[in-house]
Amino acid sequence: GAVVSQHPSWVICKSGTSVKIECRSLDFQATTMFWYRQFPKQSLMLMATSNEGSKATYEQGVEKDKFLINHASLTLSTLTVTSAHPEDSSFYICSVLRYDQPQHFGDGTRLSIL
Amino acid sequence: QKEVEQDPGPLSVPEGAIVSLNCTYSNSAFQYFMWYRQYSRKGPELLMYTYSSGNKEDGRFTAQVDKSSKYISLFIRDSQPSDSATYLCAMKETGNTGKLIFGQGTTLQVKP
Repeated sequence: GAVVSQHPSWVICKSGTSVKIECRSLDFQATTMFWYRQFPKQSLMLMATSNEGSKATYEQGVEKDKFLINHASLTLSTLTVTSAHPEDSSFYICSVLRYDQPQHFGDGTRLSIL
Repeated sequence: QKEVEQDPGPLSVPEGAIVSLNCTYSNSAFQYFMWYRQYSRKGPELLMYTYSSGNKEDGRFTAQVDKSSKYISLFIRDSQPSDSATYLCAMKETGNTGKLIFGQGTTLQVKP
């Protein structure tokens, strides 16, 4: 069964709105959650690493004021794309990690900004 | 030079063929090696997880790690059309944040 639940799977919204994406770890309490972005026919690009109760660590070049991450509990992390614009349209994927186990990924969220 | 190199393909094979997918890497500190399968518009699904060198088999899938050559492989026996997907290798060091380094992904098509 699924280890990670990610919602919504697809969202279309107007330019300037903010969009929240949820990532839930279903099977275990995750020590760390990750957020990735993926462009067509490309590999995953890590955006940020998130630990429960602490600020997320963003990768170089990722705007932390644009992509707000809240890691509210050991099983829930949210990514909010603020004031989204067409160039933010992409496939966003979260993953969960428990200690030295492999990462398990959500099914992704396709974001389309008109 | 990228830390992990993977031929993007596409790779097209007939049903029933043995498929060989490979990655090379440059960081000798990598200890954990993974293969993920990703269908179109879906998240990656973990196929194989290996620590250090050696072989691991799971059904039709075999993963091999050769740390001396910095080379990992995934073999798929009796390939099926349902195996058509993008295969991503990923690896990480011990004791860090768990950050994965991915290959570019190889697109595989298995023709009936």
